[in-house]
Amino acid sequence: LAKTTQPISMDSYEGQEVNITCSHNNIATNDYITWYQQFPSQGPRFIIQGYKTKVTNEVASLFIPADRKSSTLSLPRVSLSDTAVYYCLVGDSNSGYALNFGKGTSLLVTP
Amino acid sequence: EAGVAQSPRYKIIEKRQSVAFWCNPISGHATLYWYQQILGQGPKLLIQFQNNGVVDDSQLPKDRFSAERLKGVDSTLKIQPAKLEDSAVYLCASSLEANNQPQHFGDGTRLSIL
Repeated sequence: LAKTTQPISMDSYEGQEVNITCSHNNIATNDYITWYQQFPSQGPRFIIQGYKTKVTNEVASLFIPADRKSSTLSLPRVSLSDTAVYYCLVGDSNSGYALNFGKGTSLLVTP
Repeated sequence: EAGVAQSPRYKIIEKRQSVAFWCNPISGHATLYWYQQILGQGPKLLIQFQNNGVVDDSQLPKDRFSAERLKGVDSTLKIQPAKLEDSAVYLCASSLEANNQPQHFGDGTRLSIL
């Protein structure tokens, strides 16, 4: 399984763009990169998934460079409600990507 | 669509007692997962089912934990006997298939062992 490394915590002010980078140096050819968000007392919630280049949806963008050894989750104009833990996962169904949640990045957004 | 349902939301037991958790996945989802999340850590997969067959239970402490998924729908996770270190949130998730599909999580059962 590809091991991931994320910052333990990040702080931001409301309205700013937040970029959380995840390192996954030994990502395999078939691996996808998936990000989840978790609020206290709730289960994780899927945010975005990508394989290469850039993926965008209504809540976030995911940037993946050509070598795929890292990825960046970008949250535009964060609000207080974006305070949560963000997890980066790497893998595919054959390697068991479900296993590797890690400790995630705790994002605190303040006024 | 209705989300993943779990019960109970909270459970307090004494060590060496037994406990069971129930999960009802999203309708039509073939894959079901049970995770253990200890305070301050990310979820750790305990067992993964594809329909009613076990795909991966390599991290399930089989001397005390057991899980089943009858008829490929609902699932139960049991701990017997419980230890203090089992205090955690137990999360159930489901996905359409295992191939790179996003997982949909329930809100978990918070277990406290006294």
